[in-house]
Amino acid sequence: SQTIHQWPATLVQPVGSPLSLECTVEGTSNPNLYWYRQAAGRGLQLLFYSVGIGQISSEVPQNLSASRPQDRQFILSSKKLLLSDSGFYLCAWSLGIITEAFFGQGTRLTVV
Amino acid sequence: QKEVEQDPGPLSVPEGAIVSLNCTYSNSAFQYFMWYRQYSRKGPELLMYTYSSGNKEDGRFTAQVDKSSKYISLFIRDSQPSDSATYLCAMREGGSEKLVFGKGTKLTVNP
Repeated sequence: SQTIHQWPATLVQPVGSPLSLECTVEGTSNPNLYWYRQAAGRGLQLLFYSVGIGQISSEVPQNLSASRPQDRQFILSSKKLLLSDSGFYLCAWSLGIITEAFFGQGTRLTVV
Repeated sequence: QKEVEQDPGPLSVPEGAIVSLNCTYSNSAFQYFMWYRQYSRKGPELLMYTYSSGNKEDGRFTAQVDKSSKYISLFIRDSQPSDSATYLCAMREGGSEKLVFGKGTKLTVNP
């Protein structure tokens, strides 16, 4: 069966520090991969999605970037965190464009 | 008008009640509809997935899609305290990789 791993579960980082969140999927090949941010009262905001290695689509211009170095690995990064980057970050995967998406357990990021 | 509207609640019901959760949308190109359950500080968990209009039932959960009214519903029968969570609707256009989410409805089922 397919599983998705996302780490760390919680992270406290100072303003101006770099960020790297990693997500991996097991048990499937060539998934679509997604990064979402969830803020209170704003729902789930799609940040990036990827349909293949090295292919990244950005939905929201911001202080973050994403990379997909391997088929089942998706990384969310920042060179310098802002206070406004605080939130709950969720990785998800789906198989193609007609199937449902499955989420990881999320990373709660607090920028101080 | 936002693409997907969902009443944030909170919604509080007694154990055993029938719960109705709803979303409306404006994009007639949405073809795939999902409901997720999210417990506090956890990732969303897929509950139901439907394509186009109609009903789908899974145990105590029933999902309904009315594309003519651009309206989807999730019904929970015999609600349990363990159903207390935030419920998110999500939709996707045919041919699109992107899921669009409602803001979620927070449900509390009281024993």
